Amino acid sequence: RKEVEQDPGPFNVPEGATVAFNCTYSNSASQSFFWYRQDCRKEPKLLMSVYSSGNEDGRFTAQLNRASQYISLLIRDSKLSDSATYLCVVNNDYKLSFGAGTTVTVRA
Amino acid sequence: EAQVTQNPRYLITVTGKKLTVTCSQNMNHEYMSWYRQDPGLGLRQIYYSMNVEVTDKGDVPEGYKVSRKEKRNFPLILESPSPNQTSLYFCASSENIGISPLHFGNGTRLTVT
Repeated sequence: RKEVEQDPGPFNVPEGATVAFNCTYSNSASQSFFWYRQDCRKEPKLLMSVYSSGNEDGRFTAQLNRASQYISLLIRDSKLSDSATYLCVVNNDYKLSFGAGTTVTVRA
Repeated sequence: EAQVTQNPRYLITVTGKKLTVTCSQNMNHEYMSWYRQDPGLGLRQIYYSMNVEVTDKGDVPEGYKVSRKEKRNFPLILESPSPNQTSLYFCASSENIGISPLHFGNGTRLTVT
């Protein structure tokens, strides 16, 4: 079983829609979690960290469910510029494991 | 400007011809790492370094070497490249791995024929 698994998508959504997707992780002892964004095979960039209580950054909301071992990302009011691949990253004892990414395409 | 610089951006080579991909960061980060990215597999760690002169294997270290003689540089060496090392490579650094974000270089697209 992979350490981090994501639905590859693609999720094709119209502008203004809400899209949400999850990432599951296998190691229950994982300490911290992140979402990175990657545009068209460019370098990944940190989108947001995921805190136990859940956190929001503008139109983006991240949640952590430790009992079921998944994190989620929700994008509200999607923009064309949100089209990207979203990478789930899990930290376990200073070792980061990356998911293969979920592709989101926002259409006009 | 704070950045991680990788060179070259694109490289086409032949099997067995030694090559080095350079990586340099100007943020005084102690942690540096190399990843390869292949379709459907996500980023996989090749080697990482927690500090100068300290390097450790990641998940896929076979066929690669690294060195960390100074804090800012972390070159990736392929002594005898093979076609299965054709991939997109990223170098990254972090102030505090697991807490602070990873800063990635622009990537090196390597093709081994």
